[in-house]
This record gives sequence, structure tokens and C-alpha cells, in this order.
Amino acid sequence: KAGVTQTPRYLIKTRGQQVTLSCSPISGHRSVSWYQQTPGQGLQFLFEYFSETQRNKGNFPGRFSGRQFSNSRSEMNVSTLELGDSALYLCASTPGGAPSNEKLFFGSGTQLSVL
Amino acid sequence: GESVGLHLPTLSVQEGDNSIINCAYSNSASDYFIWYKQESGKGPQFIIDIRSNMDKRQGQRVTVLLNKTVKHLSLQIAATQPGDSAVYFCAEIVNTGGFKTIFGAGTRLFVKA
Repeated sequence: KAGVTQTPRYLIKTRGQQVTLSCSPISGHRSVSWYQQTPGQGLQFLFEYFSETQRNKGNFPGRFSGRQFSNSRSEMNVSTLELGDSALYLCASTPGGAPSNEKLFFGSGTQLSVL
Repeated sequence: GESVGLHLPTLSVQEGDNSIINCAYSNSASDYFIWYKQESGKGPQFIIDIRSNMDKRQGQRVTVLLNKTVKHLSLQIAATQPGDSAVYFCAEIVNTGGFKTIFGAGTRLFVKA
């Protein structure tokens, strides 16, 4: 089985722009979670989608949004980029049917740099 | 944000020695805990998990210990190898109106050959 695939691998944007990141989960997985990883704040939960619905979200501003398609692929969007949005954005998938005890399968992430 | 992300502690061990990585978790109601390993340029990968009805679980060269009284997890790696060099995260699944995985700050393990 192919693993979680994230594209693009690297992105450079300027302040005020917007960006869309893509994630393809493991085949058969219906849940996709997004995390932001920075040296100062560690791994922070952004949101989780299951069967095209946002099932949970973290404490991020509304500039951060996401969606999930019928094939379970997910995208996240960040609008009006700020310097502090520079981070590694990680996507993880799980089967999704038992969220209280499922381990996450991560992609390699998208490294976003905001200049 | 909701993760505890402060200065990343580092553990340096000699190849062949045993490593112990410690973690304090936050939610006394959590009942599923996981250790992940993150190598440079990759996302975190599952190592081992443990449920709250256990206090010890063993895998291949790894053991996780859970002490619910003091909300403490530890990961023991036997006969540490250079390939074990990575950042290790403990994680707990919490229910805050929906389940999500919350990560600890991480510990960088450096193995000296």
C-alpha cells in the first residue's frame, strides 16, 4: 500500500498571499488530520476530516481552512499568509472508524516558507 | 495551540547502551498513548502504543511504561543503534468534543558510534 502523499514538498510564498496544500491518504483511510510543526511550538493540531466533514478542529484562526473530497483526499488552505505561518505542515490519515484509539500515519509534510 | 512545545531536550547515548525517554502527559482521562519517531525530513512514524489498562508493553527492542498516578510515560530502547537517532514524541488521544492526538514536546536522541 502506498503511504500518505503530500504535495508540494516545498513552497515559498510572500506575506499576504494564500496557499493550498494537498494530501492523499492511505487507500481505504477515511480520516485525514492536519498538523503544523514549528521548532518553537512543536506539533499542533489544525483539524480533522472524516467522510468529507470536519470532525474536530484546533485553536487556529479562520485563515486556516480545509476540506475533504469524496475520495478522502484533503486540502488545506491558508489565506493572507503571515511570517509566523512558516512551518512544516503534516498530514496524517487513519481508517477513522475508531478515533479514540487509532494511530496516525503521516506523510513527509510540506515545508512552507513565508517571506 | 494545544501541544506543549518548548525547548527540545536532547539525550545522547553510546551505541549499544539502553535509552530511556520520558514524557509527562496532560489529560488524566486519556486512555490511549502512542510513541512516535521522527527522522530528519520525514513525518512522525508509529513505534509502540499502550492503553490505560496496562502499565507496560514490549515491542522489538522497545518498551513503553505507563504510570497513570503521576501521568508519566517512558520509552525504553534496548541496545541503541545509530539508526535510532531521531526525535521521539509521546502522544495521547484526548476527547474535547471530538477525538484528537496531542503531542508532547519531543526529545532528540543522538546515538554516538
